[in-house]
Amino acid sequence: ETGVTQTPRHLVMGMTNKKSLKCEQHLGHNAMYWYKQSAKKPLELMFVYNFKEQTENNSVPSRFSPECPNSSHLFLHLHTLQPEDSALYLCASSQRTGDVTEAFFGQGTRLTVV
Amino acid sequence: KNQVEQSPQSLIILEGKNCTLQCNYTVSPFSNLRWYKQDTGRGPVSLTIMTFSENTKSNGRYTATLDADTKQSSLHITASQLSDSASYICVVQPLGNTPLVFGKGTRLSVIA
Repeated sequence: ETGVTQTPRHLVMGMTNKKSLKCEQHLGHNAMYWYKQSAKKPLELMFVYNFKEQTENNSVPSRFSPECPNSSHLFLHLHTLQPEDSALYLCASSQRTGDVTEAFFGQGTRLTVV
Repeated sequence: KNQVEQSPQSLIILEGKNCTLQCNYTVSPFSNLRWYKQDTGRGPVSLTIMTFSENTKSNGRYTATLDADTKQSSLHITASQLSDSASYICVVQPLGNTPLVFGKGTRLSVIA
């Protein structure tokens, strides 16, 4: 285990549903990230939080809404998604942004939008 | 534009054989280069991190090399095992507070 836990591991939702992905890290890190991984594409950075403040929003549609209540927890709220949003969503954490330190990834949530 | 290109896209080798995966990047200014292993349906796990001054770094049967002049890196896997079957992702971190740049990965299949 990497110390970064994501739930649920799998999620199937309709286009009109609202759901949330959860990420928790027990590493004492101050930076947390959401990535999207689609088939045959590089990981795409979505959001970055550093010391609970959002420092990066990589032109992500508003149907994805992140929340970081503290340095250990990160959520991704989903609503009115499209089938093309189906992907593996990965959470990661690191000591802080910009450092030469390890980034640890969670196991991911496999999201299917129907 | 900062990019990371990996080759080959996929590779099949026999158990016990060695293999080398390639990574070329155009990221500048450069801070460090990382190799990750990602099993199917799971998150990436770090294998190595190399900074500008490091030419080689090993992690068990995995050896990564870095040539910062030519902006190339390789990951050599020795005496492959079935459990080495995974995607191997090359990631470059630019200098400063800039996001990581990911390659698409090489899909390695080790067969008996």
